[in-house]
Amino acid sequence: TQLLEQSPQFLSIQEGENLTVYCNSSSVFSSLQWYRQEPGEGPVLLVTVVTGGEVKKLKRLTFQFGDARKDSSLHITAAQPGDTGLYLCAGIFGNEKLTFGTGTRLTIIP
Amino acid sequence: KAGVTQTPRYLIKTRGQQVTLSCSPISGHRSVSWYQQTPGQGLQFLFEYFSETQRNKGNFPGRFSGRQFSNSRSEMNVSTLELGDSALYLCASSPGPPRGEQFFGPGTRLTVL
Repeated sequence: TQLLEQSPQFLSIQEGENLTVYCNSSSVFSSLQWYRQEPGEGPVLLVTVVTGGEVKKLKRLTFQFGDARKDSSLHITAAQPGDTGLYLCAGIFGNEKLTFGTGTRLTIIP
Repeated sequence: KAGVTQTPRYLIKTRGQQVTLSCSPISGHRSVSWYQQTPGQGLQFLFEYFSETQRNKGNFPGRFSGRQFSNSRSEMNVSTLELGDSALYLCASSPGPPRGEQFFGPGTRLTVL
């Protein structure tokens, strides 16, 4: 069973600060997705990374895929209250099942 | 384009009962996946259907079953409910394999008393 560990599990920071969330596995992903989930809603896709070493930017969010395709990070610059939510990484392994990480619950304090 | 819809949104059942949840995917999407989300276990994959066939199955007991109809709508059934089945059940649709973006519905909140 493939496991995706996310850290930290909980993160509470002040508005304007920077933060990084990590997603790690002992297995190699064929691709990895990041989702954000807000209360009462389903997760919404933020980005998909496919190539080892790939970096993608979405406004203040920067996503990086590790060279060995076993880990990924999400960096948020100048966090805003609207960034509050549950961040989930999801890896696709050889069997094509989408396996979700344990999640990071982020709270941005105004 | 309408999003993924799930019914009902909230459900309360007692132990031993059974429940059926429904999911209507985005028009044109042929793949439907089901997930269970709990605070302790996170988001866990239940099963995936594509063109009325189960393509993948997660590690859940046989009490959990599902099916997909010819119009791509899907249902999942849980029999002999246990307290631990209390969770948010999420349905997600995608155009089809290979795996791409999953579009999630708002979920059905099931409470087992």
